[in-house]
Amino acid sequence: DIQMTQSPSTLSASVGDRVTITCRASQSINTWLAWYQQKPGKAPNLLIYKASSLEGGVPSRFSGSGSGTEFTLTISGLQPDDFATYYCQEYNSYSRTFGQGTKVEIK
Amino acid sequence: QVQLVQSGAEVKKPGSSVKVSCKASGDTFSSFGISWVRQAPGQGLEWMGEIIPMFGTTHYVENSQGRVTITADESSNTVYMELSSLRSEDTAVYYCARDLRDDHSSFNWFDPWGQGTLVIVSS
Repeated sequence: DIQMTQSPSTLSASVGDRVTITCRASQSINTWLAWYQQKPGKAPNLLIYKASSLEGGVPSRFSGSGSGTEFTLTISGLQPDDFATYYCQEYNSYSRTFGQGTKVEIK
Repeated sequence: QVQLVQSGAEVKKPGSSVKVSCKASGDTFSSFGISWVRQAPGQGLEWMGEIIPMFGTTHYVENSQGRVTITADESSNTVYMELSSLRSEDTAVYYCARDLRDDHSSFNWFDPWGQGTLVIVSS
């Protein structure tokens, strides 16, 4: 099975900060990676697919990059609405494994 | 625009079964797959399985031990997930989500998601 490891687990930041979350796969997954945002008590919301393709309606301050085993989600200019937990998900394998999540907290 | 609406919260005894529904609207139901993903309290997300109504095919996570059954009723645009032999570790929010894939990917990402159904397993 492919393992997906996110870092950090928790991130403290201020409004306006540039934030970067890393997701590492235990083996190459090409660019078959998605990113989701989840707020407490809500379902995950798709942000990015195919590592860097922005889902329609998602603000352009969100961007994704990477290929192979290392990927990043960047939020350029953190907004109050962005404090949430973020998950990566690989879709290179049958198991469609998620990372363990990164919680972005207010500093 | 596809919308997925799930059934309400359930409280079940250990050893019993639960059946959660997911009703789709806004698109031709059989043209896409529907997956189920669960999230235990304070934990991450785990894909459980999917159904592709157009082909009548199902796929389940390898460690499901045959406890998960996903079915679809095309006449009502509804997908069901039944989990049997419930144990306390099955306490979680269960989400349905549409499968999306592009021309070159063998597997899929998920969008949109249903609102989630809390299943509590307790004696």
